[in-house]
Amino acid sequence: GAGVSQTPSNKVTEKGKYVELRCDPISGHTALYWYRQSLGQGPEFLIYFQGTGAADDSGLPNDRFFAVRPEGSVSTLKIQRTERGDSAVYLCASSFDRGGGYTFGSGTRLTVV
Amino acid sequence: QQQVKQSPQSLIVQKGGISIINCAYENTAFDYFPWYQQFPGKGPALLIAIRPDVSEKKEGRFTISFNKSAKQFSLHIMDSQPGDSATYFCAAIAAGNKLTFGGGTRVLVKP
Repeated sequence: GAGVSQTPSNKVTEKGKYVELRCDPISGHTALYWYRQSLGQGPEFLIYFQGTGAADDSGLPNDRFFAVRPEGSVSTLKIQRTERGDSAVYLCASSFDRGGGYTFGSGTRLTVV
Repeated sequence: QQQVKQSPQSLIVQKGGISIINCAYENTAFDYFPWYQQFPGKGPALLIAIRPDVSEKKEGRFTISFNKSAKQFSLHIMDSQPGDSATYFCAAIAAGNKLTFGGGTRVLVKP
């Protein structure tokens, strides 16, 4: 596709449930990033993939969060035992290389009730 | 520890005026400084970027000024238009790795 696609655009889940958020990067982009943006704040880094491997997962807040990119394209962010504090917009971005010029998707708004 | 500090948190400017947003950073390893524009319900979109070997970069009505010794950089929006009303984020990257964002500035351009 022409841009970074994220699905679903909105997700409401109950506390304690498991959720998966999907990101389709721009074709050919080797680098993929997940960020989390809370209301009124700047995006915060979660994890960075170069190809299939997670090159930097230092931003994942705890072991309830996990992400995969098995074929070096689509990525899934997985959150176990969701908590109300996980409510935020989860943004995905991709780029050709490790430098700047990220292209962001529109995000998935996760609401944990 | 907030590595990129952005101010002001919000600003209101009249149509045709100049919007100025300032950022300061701490990590001297940062080597790329982009600005992003974000509209409600959308992801951030790259607006303009600069590297530390340049003191100023201009693209249309948008100008970045960069002061390496002071570890500060700023965005100037000239001839501000109502369509410029959005949230603006400064950011920085070290060694081509992850973006570190400032806290954002909500700009409202009044017609």
